[in-house]
Amino acid sequence: EAGVAQSPRYKIIEKRQSVAFWCNPISGHATLYWYQQILGQGPKLLIQFQNNGVVDDSQLPKDRFSAERLKGVDSTLKIQPAKLEDSAVYLCASSLGLAGGEQDTQYFGPGTRLTVL
Amino acid sequence: DQQVKQNSPSLSVQEGRISILNCDYTNSMFDYFLWYKKYPAEGPTFLISISSIKDKNEDGRFTVFLNKSAKHLSLHIVPSQPGDSAVYFCVAITGGGNKLTFGTGTQLKVEL
Repeated sequence: EAGVAQSPRYKIIEKRQSVAFWCNPISGHATLYWYQQILGQGPKLLIQFQNNGVVDDSQLPKDRFSAERLKGVDSTLKIQPAKLEDSAVYLCASSLGLAGGEQDTQYFGPGTRLTVL
Repeated sequence: DQQVKQNSPSLSVQEGRISILNCDYTNSMFDYFLWYKKYPAEGPTFLISISSIKDKNEDGRFTVFLNKSAKHLSLHIVPSQPGDSAVYFCVAITGGGNKLTFGTGTQLKVEL
């Protein structure tokens, strides 16, 4: 079974430029997550989708970050304009979307390493 | 505010010996805990979990212990193998949800 796919794997941009990341989750997974992992820290949730609806975007800096999952499958995360502190690895994860106390294991993609100069 | 803390950024163990990775948390609302393992240039992968109603969960060479009163959990790997060399993240979940709160990670190196 194919895992979570992300592209690009690496991106270098200048501050104030825009950038977009793409994620293709595991087939059949209803829930999709975007995480930001700054060097030396653990991943931090930015946004969670259930199908094509947003469940939690409380940690997303909405003045510069946006994300969409239009058809409930692929997702894009955009930063515009980028700041130096946005340098991080952006991880996409997906899960079946189980409820009712069952463990809903999240499967992560390899991430996109963003460097803002 | 770091709600999940892994105070040892790195740990070195000899092959065949036991590896013990520690984790402390501050939020009493956490009721489910997981360990994820991460190799370089890959995403984290789920390793083992434990519910707050238990104090131990074992899966092969991996055992997780939970001490709720101390708000402490640990991951034991025995025997340790070179392929276990990775970053290990302690992760907590609140009340039946699926929002993961990660610790900062511990880099484990298993030496021959």
